[in-house]
Amino acid sequence: AQSVSQHNHHVILSEAASLELGCNYSYGGTVNLFWYVQYPGQHLQLLLKYFSGDPLVKGIKGFEAEFIKSKFSFNLRKPSVQWSDTAEYFCAGRSGNTGKLIFGQGTTLQVKP
Amino acid sequence: KAGVTQTPRYLIKTRGQQVTLSCSPISGHRSVSWYQQTPGQGLQFLFEYFSETQRNKGNFPGRFSGRQFSNSRSEMNVSTLELGDSALYLCASRPAGVSYEQYFGPGTRLTVT
Repeated sequence: AQSVSQHNHHVILSEAASLELGCNYSYGGTVNLFWYVQYPGQHLQLLLKYFSGDPLVKGIKGFEAEFIKSKFSFNLRKPSVQWSDTAEYFCAGRSGNTGKLIFGQGTTLQVKP
Repeated sequence: KAGVTQTPRYLIKTRGQQVTLSCSPISGHRSVSWYQQTPGQGLQFLFEYFSETQRNKGNFPGRFSGRQFSNSRSEMNVSTLELGDSALYLCASRPAGVSYEQYFGPGTRLTVT
């Protein structure tokens, strides 16, 4: 990926609501995409990744993402959010054939109990 | 396995000084990358090292440098500190091979006054 953009900068949801965070990438050869989460005061953790194969990827804590090649998108979803999902979420893509990750600007998710 | 560790966790420096940050990757990981995280610019790639060689470099001035040792531990150095260098500096390691997922440390919070 040469660039990664996230549509939503700040999302506020009530518990049990469904979540979808948008992520778009620009074409840059091999497509390797990731979603990371940063809980308050904690380090970045990998939620899920897409390398190839099934475009619907399942990650930890009930998160999933769908890679749609025609739309250059890799949106993150969760059917029912919990208060503990309050965090900042980052979409990232690998740049070319390097280990360099290009991150989106991040989306702050606030879940109200 | 122990995760990525970074030292120190917090640092306060004065403009014009220099600073060295340290990162110990997960055991067995030979690739180490550094990122700068700020509220305004988000997460930006600094450089990547593999087997003591710099593989990639981000768009940062020459005041930012790094190195990797034979045990895969890495250091980054910032000389002639500026106020704008205040940031969270993250180190990430990844195993060799085709998996490009990176594991992040807790970061070093650098404040330049």
